[in-house]
Amino acid sequence: GAGVSQSPRYKVAKRGQDVALRCDPISGHVSLFWYQQALGQGPEFLTYFQNEAQLDKSGLPSDRFFAERPEGSVSTLKIQRTQQEDSAVYLCASSLELGGFGEQYFGPGTRLTVT
Amino acid sequence: AQKITQTQPGMFVQEKEAVTLDCTYDTSDPSYGLFWYKQPSSGEMIFLIYQGSYDQQNATEGRYSLNFQKARKSANLVISASQLGDSAMYFCAMREGGSNSGYALNFGKGTSLLVTP
Repeated sequence: GAGVSQSPRYKVAKRGQDVALRCDPISGHVSLFWYQQALGQGPEFLTYFQNEAQLDKSGLPSDRFFAERPEGSVSTLKIQRTQQEDSAVYLCASSLELGGFGEQYFGPGTRLTVT
Repeated sequence: AQKITQTQPGMFVQEKEAVTLDCTYDTSDPSYGLFWYKQPSSGEMIFLIYQGSYDQQNATEGRYSLNFQKARKSANLVISASQLGDSAMYFCAMREGGSNSGYALNFGKGTSLLVTP
């Protein structure tokens, strides 16, 4: 069955470049989350969408990070003027439940390396 | 302040033995949920088990059980009859339920489990 998919799986960007990371959640899942996972650490919450509404963006580390989910399905995480500290795996998760109390189904992640 | 603490960076267990992975949490919210996820070397996060703060019984899912001690704020994962395929990183996570808590799932730093033959 179709799980959460993310693209690209790997991205190398030169410092200062903009990147866009895509997430295709499981069909029908209203909740969508983005996380950042640095090497050797647990995932850190970035932002949450309920359908197309971005209800929580408290975890976005700076105004260089922007996320959208315009039609309540596919989501894009955009990072402008990438910095070396942005190097991490970016995980997307979706859930049938509202608000994050239910099981979250994670995608395989996008590994971003900023050189 | 760290909301989830996993004090064991690495654990070893022999195949077929049981192992306990520790997790303590910090919240003043009476409503919360606790999760365990497994992350193999391939990178995907796999949901294992969930415990709600108001659940009366400890959660169980197959070989996984959660030893929930609310007064001690601990939610240890017990894996029985370990298999080689259980070798992975294990993350404990919490979702607080209060109206000001946001929607974040807060993860610990993880425990690396190695199952030996």
